[in-house]
Amino acid sequence: GAVVSQHPSRVICKSGTSVKIECRSLDFQATTMFWYRQFPKQSLMLMATSNEGSKATYEQGVEKDKFLINHASLTLSTLTVTSAHPEDSSFYICSASIPDSGNTIYFGEGSWLTVV
Amino acid sequence: AQSVAQPEDQVNVAEGNPLTVKCTYSVSGNPYLFWYVQYPNRGLQFLLKYITGDNLVKGSYGFEAEFNKSQTSFHLKKPSALVSDSALYFCAVNTGKLIFGQGTTLQVKP
Repeated sequence: GAVVSQHPSRVICKSGTSVKIECRSLDFQATTMFWYRQFPKQSLMLMATSNEGSKATYEQGVEKDKFLINHASLTLSTLTVTSAHPEDSSFYICSASIPDSGNTIYFGEGSWLTVV
Repeated sequence: AQSVAQPEDQVNVAEGNPLTVKCTYSVSGNPYLFWYVQYPNRGLQFLLKYITGDNLVKGSYGFEAEFNKSQTSFHLKKPSALVSDSALYFCAVNTGKLIFGQGTTLQVKP
């Protein structure tokens, strides 16, 4: 099946610094990728929809200047958490849609961010 | 508003018994419905989907789901549960982006 790769799987950064998480579609081209945030034992919260070659679409309440999304190619989207704070610590998951019937969405393995 | 509901936070089943994880939806038009499973500290794995056609959909790891339009439900089922099925299960509808249910923790005991 389709594979979505996320890197890094775990990252620790200091408060005030920025950290970048990469999401790659390995065997298909993804014009659209999605970024989610998940708190322990909770559902996924959609943060933004990443569109190749254009600006990301952010969900209500998500700070676009804090969570920078870049979708520079058909196989790569990046999420940069800028000026990170401890409350940004979370599990971030990306996903990509493939153009099959029903647009099945496949997920990466997630990235644990800890801000200290 | 379009939404998905999973009414049970947790489902407990004995190994070997059948399991059901419930999901209801509220969408306009024909729904594209999905089930995903999440193991601890991992991403989501696709189990199965309903687009059109046969109401009974078969998926990975022996799971199946039944689409019921009149009851607006898409319950996940498996005839014989395994301990290794213990995980967090999400029902979702694709409206161009995935809308998730709250998730149901499945606990299968030996």
